Amino acid sequence: SQQGEEDPQALSIQEGENATMNCSYKTSINNLQWYRQNSGRGLVHLILIRSNEREKHSGRLRVTLDTSKKSSSLLITASRAADTASYFCATDSSNTGKLIFGQGTTLQVKP
Amino acid sequence: NAGVMQNPRHLVRRRGQEARLRCSPMKGHSHVYWYRQLPEEGLKFMVYLQKENIIDESGMPKERFSAEFPKEGPSILRIQQVVRGDSAAYFCASLDSGRSTDTQYFGPGTRLTVL
Repeated sequence: SQQGEEDPQALSIQEGENATMNCSYKTSINNLQWYRQNSGRGLVHLILIRSNEREKHSGRLRVTLDTSKKSSSLLITASRAADTASYFCATDSSNTGKLIFGQGTTLQVKP
Repeated sequence: NAGVMQNPRHLVRRRGQEARLRCSPMKGHSHVYWYRQLPEEGLKFMVYLQKENIIDESGMPKERFSAEFPKEGPSILRIQQVVRGDSAAYFCASLDSGRSTDTQYFGPGTRLTVL
């Protein structure tokens, strides 16, 4: 079964608004990572949050992790058209570093 | 400092042919992961290799797929006798130490189309 499940599947907002994406997972994790993928391109690493961390910031990104609920959220503030992409969460539950990805959230930011 | 390199970027094969996908990790990285992404889906783990060793191949189909990471040269993902269902984007990622707290760096992917 899928480890990471994200919602919403698709999100459309206006430039300047905030975008929130959620990720739920099933098993205990070492860390959780968020990636961005532009259409037809590779993955860009955004942020990694460890299991003993609750919140992390990077520029306009804010990630939270609630291990009791087995969930994480990614907030993009003051969105820009260039933020249009698919966003994936990925969990690391092994001792080998292999990642289990969610299905992704497709974000469209309208100028 | 070049990132993870993959080639070819696009590969077209007819059913029954072989596909060879190459991945050169970041300089100094000795751990490589291969993932497959079907259209409109997330990435699925296939195999984890260190130099000359397969560490975890739990995500690799048992037939027709193989991977290697030789002492010298890139990691190779090989698909024999390709079928239409193999059409996907194949990504590799590398990291330095293999610690689960480290970030994996992804290549641009190889998009395989099977006719």
